[in-house]
Amino acid sequence: GAGVSQSPRYKVAKRGQDVALRCDPISGHVSLFWYQQALGQGPEFLTYFQNEAQLDKSGLPSDRFFAERPEGSVSTLKIQRTQQEDSAVYLCASSLAGTNTEAFFGQGTRLTVV
Amino acid sequence: KQEVTQIPAALSVPEGENLVLNCSFTDSAIYNLQWFRQDPGKGLTSLLLIQSSQREQTSGRLNASLDKSSGRSTLYIAASQPGDSATYLCAAYNYGQNFVFGPGTRLSVLP
Repeated sequence: GAGVSQSPRYKVAKRGQDVALRCDPISGHVSLFWYQQALGQGPEFLTYFQNEAQLDKSGLPSDRFFAERPEGSVSTLKIQRTQQEDSAVYLCASSLAGTNTEAFFGQGTRLTVV
Repeated sequence: KQEVTQIPAALSVPEGENLVLNCSFTDSAIYNLQWFRQDPGKGLTSLLLIQSSQREQTSGRLNASLDKSSGRSTLYIAASQPGDSATYLCAAYNYGQNFVFGPGTRLSVLP
């Protein structure tokens, strides 16, 4: 597609529910990033893929967070047993290759845990 | 670990003014620095990307400069317009650390 697409745009989950957030990167983009953005703050890094390989998951806040990109294109961020502190906007970005290329962000998924 | 700060946190100016947004980073070993715009409830729109070997980049009324030695980047907006109102974020990319974002500058341009 023309840009990075994320779905759903909004998600309301009851505490304890599992959620799955989807990211469709720009076609041909090798690198894919997930970020978490709390209200009024800058995005915080969660994890990074190069093709299907998850090269860095140091930003995932707990073992309830899991991300995958099995075929090197679409990625899913899964949060198990959601808690209120997980409420945030989850942003996905892709770039053509590695480090020296421009990152393009999706519109984000706003997750509200009630 | 890279830390990025932005000054000011918020800025309100009348239409037509030229303005400067500041971004500082602690680790000068960056690969690139990218400026983004974020409208309320929306994702991030890339404005300018400056590679570590570059001193500045320009796009229309926007000019971004990079001084690695001092750990600073500035975004200059000429002849500001109400449509420029948004939050502006800078992000530094260190190899192996990925993008580290500043908290943003919230800009309001008054008609």
